[in-house]
Amino acid sequence: DQQVKQNSPSLSVQEGRISILNCDYTNSMFDYFLWYKKYPAEGPTFLISISSIKDKNEDGRFTVFLNKSAKHLSLHIVPSQPGDSAVYFCAALYGGATNKLIFGTGTLLAVQP
Amino acid sequence: NAGVTQTPKFQVLKTGQSMTLQCAQDMNHEYMSWYRQDPGMGLRLIHYSVGAGITDQGEVPNGYNVSRSTTEDFPLRLLSAAPSQTSVYFCASSYQPGSTDTQYFGPGTRLTVL
Repeated sequence: DQQVKQNSPSLSVQEGRISILNCDYTNSMFDYFLWYKKYPAEGPTFLISISSIKDKNEDGRFTVFLNKSAKHLSLHIVPSQPGDSAVYFCAALYGGATNKLIFGTGTLLAVQP
Repeated sequence: NAGVTQTPKFQVLKTGQSMTLQCAQDMNHEYMSWYRQDPGMGLRLIHYSVGAGITDQGEVPNGYNVSRSTTEDFPLRLLSAAPSQTSVYFCASSYQPGSTDTQYFGPGTRLTVL
């Protein structure tokens, strides 16, 4: 049972436009959400996160929005650049003594020049 | 700092063979973990450790053993490899197990079991 879902396996966007990556979750106990970016043959790298007590977090070109009532979060990249082309993983976490990240299946973003 | 390092990068095993995937970090991180990535499944937690001498199971622990004798190293052992263990394995570490602490991932080990 997939607790964190990324229903779009891939997304193609023109350079300079907005990229919107979506993520849905089922477990209402999740209290922290993260986005990771992964290039081929490399490990995932942390991109941006948001606590469940917030509905928006912004870091440069990257903004994450959280809608708790809908159990939905999204990552906005504005403007998109070719170097943003990668697989993006949404991950969720619930409280406790350990980091037990639950990952989504990933979305492959292709930014066309 | 080298960060999180993993060896080997690639490995091919025959069914029933055993091997150890190595993971080391030089950031003095307390928390370390192993994930596997499979197509259409995302990354799934295999085992984790909150400090030297302490390990626990994650979401998919069967077929894998771990130990944590030092802060720096967290090897993953496959005792009797099976084709279902064909995957890309990632090791990760963070300073302490807290929800706001970033996990740093190694480059991965691509394992094929024939």
